[in-house]
Amino acid sequence: EIVLTQSPGTLSLSPGARATLSCRASQSVTSSYLAWYQLKPGQAPRLLIYAASSRATGVPDRFSGSGSGPGFTLTISRLEPEDFAVYYCQYFGSSGYTFGQGTKLEI
Amino acid sequence: VQLSESGGGLAQPGGSLRLSCAASGFTFRNYAMSWVRQAPGKGLEWVSSINGAGDSTFSADSLKGRFTISRDNSENTLFLQINTLRAEDTGVYYCAKRGHQLLYGAFDIWGRGTAVAVSS
Repeated sequence: EIVLTQSPGTLSLSPGARATLSCRASQSVTSSYLAWYQLKPGQAPRLLIYAASSRATGVPDRFSGSGSGPGFTLTISRLEPEDFAVYYCQYFGSSGYTFGQGTKLEI
Repeated sequence: VQLSESGGGLAQPGGSLRLSCAASGFTFRNYAMSWVRQAPGKGLEWVSSINGAGDSTFSADSLKGRFTISRDNSENTLFLQINTLRAEDTGVYYCAKRGHQLLYGAFDIWGRGTAVAVSS
C-alpha cells in the first residue's frame, strides 16, 4: 500500500510570498497518477493539478506542480488571500486512491 | 456541472444510512464516480469507486464490507449505503466525478458534501 506523506503539516506565510508544499510517496510511483487538491471549509474540494504538473481547467498559473516518484511539489508563486486553505496530494494506484494527510496553509 | 450530496444526518451506532449524490451538467453514465470522506479534524479518505456502467466497484481495503457504492444512471444519481454504523464513520462525505482519461484518474468535480454524525 502506498503512503503519501505531506510536509510541512502547517505552513505560515504572508500574501505575496511563495509557498512550497511537499508530497512524498512511500515507494516509487507513476507521476501521471499524482494530483493536488485544495480544500476550504464548507466548500467542495477543488482539483488544482493532475498528472503531477498539469493545471486543471480554470486554475491560475501561480499554481504549479512538479516532481517524479517518489517526491512531488506544489508551488504557489505569489500567495493571494484566497489561497489560504488545506492542500492534499492524491495518488491513484492499483489498490485505489490514497491521499496525503494534508498541509494547512495559513496566514 | 454539479454534484449535490444528501442523506446525511444523525444516526445511531449499528444503524444504516444511504447517501445520495445527484449529478447534473454532464453525461453521468460516461464517468466513474467515487465517495471520499473526511472525519472531523482529519484528512481526506477515499471510500469507494464505481465505473460508469455500474458493474464494477472497488473500495478501500479498510472499509470493505460495510460500505456499498451503487448508481442509477437513469436518475443520474450515485449512492453509498453504510451499514453497521460506527462512531468513526462520523464526518463529511463527498461524492466526486472522475475526470476524462487524460486526467489519469483525478477527480475533477466534487460536491460540497453531506455530514454524517454517528452517536447515541
